[in-house]
Amino acid sequence: DAKTTQPNSMESNEEEPVHLPCNHSTISGTDYIHWYRQLPSQGPEYVIHGLTSNVNNRMASLAIAEDRKSSTLILHRATLRDAAVYYCILWSGANNLFFGTGTRLTVIP
Amino acid sequence: KAGVTQTPRYLIKTRGQQVTLSCSPISGHRSVSWYQQTPGQGLQFLFEYFSETQRNKGNFPGRFSGRQFSNSRSEMNVSTLELGDSALYLCASSLEGFGTEAFFGQGTRLTVV
Repeated sequence: DAKTTQPNSMESNEEEPVHLPCNHSTISGTDYIHWYRQLPSQGPEYVIHGLTSNVNNRMASLAIAEDRKSSTLILHRATLRDAAVYYCILWSGANNLFFGTGTRLTVIP
Repeated sequence: KAGVTQTPRYLIKTRGQQVTLSCSPISGHRSVSWYQQTPGQGLQFLFEYFSETQRNKGNFPGRFSGRQFSNSRSEMNVSTLELGDSALYLCASSLEGFGTEAFFGQGTRLTVV
């Protein structure tokens, strides 16, 4: 199963940009890269996903390395509401869903 | 539109009993997935149902089963409960499957004593 590696925790100051890294060196050509986040006492929430090209949406940007072995989730201006555990997930259908341990983001006011 | 609804929110069961959890997906969504979340193992995929058929399955014993009804509502059943089954059980619904955006419910907290 293709797996991801993320730092256990990161800190950011409020209103500063945050770059959350994810390594996925065994990614296959059909694996999509998904990011979800989980706020305290809630289910995970979709953030963004991509395959090869960088992606932007209203919540964040996803930068994917050219060799696709790593990616970075970018929050342009962290707010207190962005404090959560962020999961980088590879998916290519079938049974290989693996959430990993995620990165706990702390936002400092 | 209404989100994903899981019932009950909290449940306490005794070892050896069985339990059924319910998940009502967002209207129009045909895919429902189930996950187990524990502090030690994190989020683990249980199975996915699409149009009443189990389409994907994670690595869990046969005590964990599920089904999906024609209105896309899904139930998950755990038989012969063990202490290690204590967890937060989450379901997620999506239009076509995990490749599209998935919406999670708030989960059912199951405690086995």
